[in-house]
Amino acid sequence: DSGVTQTPKHLITATGQRVTLRCSPRSGDLSVYWYQQSLDQGLQFLIQYYNGEERAKGNILERFSAQQFPDLHSELNLSSLELGDSALYFCASSPGGGRANEKLFFGSGTQLSVL
Amino acid sequence: QKEVEQDPGPLSVPEGAIVSLNCTYSNSAFQYFMWYRQYSRKGPELLMYTYSSGNKEDGRFTAQVDKSSKYISLFIRDSQPSDSATYLCAMIGSNDYKLSFGAGTTVTVRA
Repeated sequence: DSGVTQTPKHLITATGQRVTLRCSPRSGDLSVYWYQQSLDQGLQFLIQYYNGEERAKGNILERFSAQQFPDLHSELNLSSLELGDSALYFCASSPGGGRANEKLFFGSGTQLSVL
Repeated sequence: QKEVEQDPGPLSVPEGAIVSLNCTYSNSAFQYFMWYRQYSRKGPELLMYTYSSGNKEDGRFTAQVDKSSKYISLFIRDSQPSDSATYLCAMIGSNDYKLSFGAGTTVTVRA
């Protein structure tokens, strides 16, 4: 168990809908990362938050947004969902600001199916 | 061309064999190199972590980095059925915040 908690584990929804994925980092970790994993794209970095502030942005669509709350948990909001958004969404956390020498700990993911 | 190339396999080996996995990359700024193991329907788990070129050994696992060739490897000795998983390489530069992952290689160790 990595100590990173993601809910829900599974989410089934329809095109055009909006969903929220939640992540609680390991105790004491200040950074939260969101990744998307699909069969054709592999593991893609979406966004990183450090202590409530956005630190780095990757291949995140404009329909997607995230935030990190004062208690350090994070939410990833996906709106106007399309079939192609179906994927595994992982949250990871690390102790500091996410510099290169930090190690990431991943949650078990949320499987999103858009029908 | 992707920044990190990894053969997705799949790779099937008998129990006790040596598993050899590798990745190539194009970004010469990468300084830190990792291998993650991902079991089905689970999150990636950090397996090995190395800085710059050289070898690192941890039990049955050996990671090698050759920066001059932009090539990294992971060897699993005396492989076990419990080693059956997808192995992802990942790397990052000193001034980066974003890990770059390979596509992952799926390994099956047959009992």
